[in-house]
Amino acid sequence: KAGVTQTPRYLIKTRGQQVTLSCSPISGHRSVSWYQQTPGQGLQFLFEYFSETQRNKGNFPGRFSGRQFSNSRSEMNVSTLELGDSALYLCASSQMGGPNEKLFFGSGTQLSVL
Amino acid sequence: SQQGEEDPQALSIQEGENATMNCSYKTSINNLQWYRQNSGRGLVHLILIRSNEREKHSGRLRVTLDTSKKSSSLLITASRAADTASYFCAHYSGAGSYQLTFGKGTKLSVIP
Repeated sequence: KAGVTQTPRYLIKTRGQQVTLSCSPISGHRSVSWYQQTPGQGLQFLFEYFSETQRNKGNFPGRFSGRQFSNSRSEMNVSTLELGDSALYLCASSQMGGPNEKLFFGSGTQLSVL
Repeated sequence: SQQGEEDPQALSIQEGENATMNCSYKTSINNLQWYRQNSGRGLVHLILIRSNEREKHSGRLRVTLDTSKKSSSLLITASRAADTASYFCAHYSGAGSYQLTFGKGTKLSVIP
């Protein structure tokens, strides 16, 4: 079974631009979560999707958005990029989501904002 | 913030020694999980311990959970250079939550 795939692996953008990151979950997994990881703040939850519905959203500004498609693939978008958005963005999937499941993570997208 | 804390923040040991990492959290939990992250890569699930369990083993890993103290520990026995990584504890944030909250992590270096 293929793992969680995130594309692209690296991305360099400039302030003010927008970016779209992609995540393909493990086949059969319907829950997809996104996390931002920075040296200062650690791992912070962005949002979780299940069957194209956002069930949980973290404490991030509206510039951060996401969506999930009918095949469970997910994208997240960051508009009007700021320097502080430089981070490793991690996608994770699980079968149904929720408190009794472990997450399977992709390798992440390393975003640098210049 | 509901984020937990691990200690120590960094740990350096010789190959063959045991490594112990501790984690504290703030809310009631259904279970607590431990993940490993190699530098700049995704996280890998190691072990899940339920709130009604006190100890769990998986290979060279031993996890304990004390819900009265809201704390957990991860012991790696007979460490190897390949165990060099960051280790995070994580728990779901409350009933009906789909948000996994991670601690700040312990960076383990195993010196050959």
